[in-house]
Amino acid sequence: LAKTTQPISMDSYEGQEVNITCSHNNIATNDYITWYQQFPSQGPRFIIQGYKTKVTNEVASLFIPADRKSSTLSLPRVSLSDTAVYYCLVGDIGTGGFKTIFGAGTRLFVKA
Amino acid sequence: GAGVSQSPSNKVTEKGKDVELRCDPISGHTALYWYRQSLGQGLEFLIYFQGNSAPDKSGLPSDRFSAERTGGSVSTLTIQRTQQEDSAVYLCASSLGSGRGDYEQYFGPGTRLTVT
Repeated sequence: LAKTTQPISMDSYEGQEVNITCSHNNIATNDYITWYQQFPSQGPRFIIQGYKTKVTNEVASLFIPADRKSSTLSLPRVSLSDTAVYYCLVGDIGTGGFKTIFGAGTRLFVKA
Repeated sequence: GAGVSQSPSNKVTEKGKDVELRCDPISGHTALYWYRQSLGQGLEFLIYFQGNSAPDKSGLPSDRFSAERTGGSVSTLTIQRTQQEDSAVYLCASSLGSGRGDYEQYFGPGTRLTVT
């Protein structure tokens, strides 16, 4: 299983764009890249998922370079409510099922 | 619609006692996952079910931990002879399947276990 490395914490201010980069050097061919968000005392919540290039949804964008050894979650114009822990993970979608390994995540602090 | 539910929400038990934690996944979700999260830490994978079978039990920390799933729905995580290091939040998640594109995991609120 591919392991991931993320910054432990990041600070930002309201209205700024935040980019969180995750390294996954041994990502496998069948692995997808997924990001989750977790608020205190809650379970993680899915944000975005991608395989290559760029994916965008209503809350975030995910940039994946051609070698797929890293990925960047981009949060446009963050607000105080975006303060949370963000997890990057890669998953094997082979016939054996999808096993999710969550790392320590990145604690994002958004300041006023 | 109903999300993933877990019970109890909080459980305080004495060291050495057995505990059972329950997870009700979203209806129709075939995959179910158990995780453990200690205070301020990331999620630790415990076990994964596809239907009623558990192809991956590699995360169970010891033989005191077991889990089962019946009818492709409800799952129970059992911890025997609890130890203080078992204190954590136990999170359950379910997903529509485990194939490409349908494995977004939906998490329950967790069960906070405290072993005294």
